[in-house]
Amino acid sequence: TQLLEQSPQFLSIQEGENLTVYCNSSSVFSSLQWYRQEPGEGPVLLVTVVTGGEVKKLKRLTFQFGDARKDSSLHITAAQPGDTGLYLCAGGSNYKLTFGKGTLLTVNP
Amino acid sequence: KAGVTQTPRYLIKTRGQQVTLSCSPISGHRSVSWYQQTPGQGLQFLFEYFSETQRNKGNFPGRFSGRQFSNSRSEMNVSTLELGDSALYLCASSSTLSSGANVLTFGAGSRLTVL
Repeated sequence: TQLLEQSPQFLSIQEGENLTVYCNSSSVFSSLQWYRQEPGEGPVLLVTVVTGGEVKKLKRLTFQFGDARKDSSLHITAAQPGDTGLYLCAGGSNYKLTFGKGTLLTVNP
Repeated sequence: KAGVTQTPRYLIKTRGQQVTLSCSPISGHRSVSWYQQTPGQGLQFLFEYFSETQRNKGNFPGRFSGRQFSNSRSEMNVSTLELGDSALYLCASSSTLSSGANVLTFGAGSRLTVL
């Protein structure tokens, strides 16, 4: 069974701070995706990474896929209250995604 | 273009009843997946359909079933409801990137409460 572990589970920070969220697995995934989910809504895709060592930037968000394609990180620079939400990583294989349990981020003004 | 539409958004059932949830995917998407989200277990994969065929199934009891119609719309059914079936049920339709990775677009979910 493929599992994805995310850390930390909860994170509460002040506006303007930087943060990093981690996603680790003992299995290799063909692709890894990050989603953000807000209350009452479904997850929304932020990024997909497919190549080991790949780094992608989306404004203040930086995503990295580990060289062995087993782990990933999400770094947010100068967090804003609008970044508040549940961040989920998901590994893809065999027509399904395996999700981590998520990191619940709260950015306080 | 319209997103993924799930109905109903909220429903309350009692133990032993059954429920049917509906999902209309993004136009042109032929793959539909279902996930169960609970606070304790997070998002867990239920099943995936492509062109009316189930291609993969998660580790859920046989009370959970699904199907896909020729227009790609999908339904999932849960029979003999248990308290532990209370959850947010999410449907997603997917497209495939040139890299081969599947990208999911989720609906807002159907919130099921079992009393």
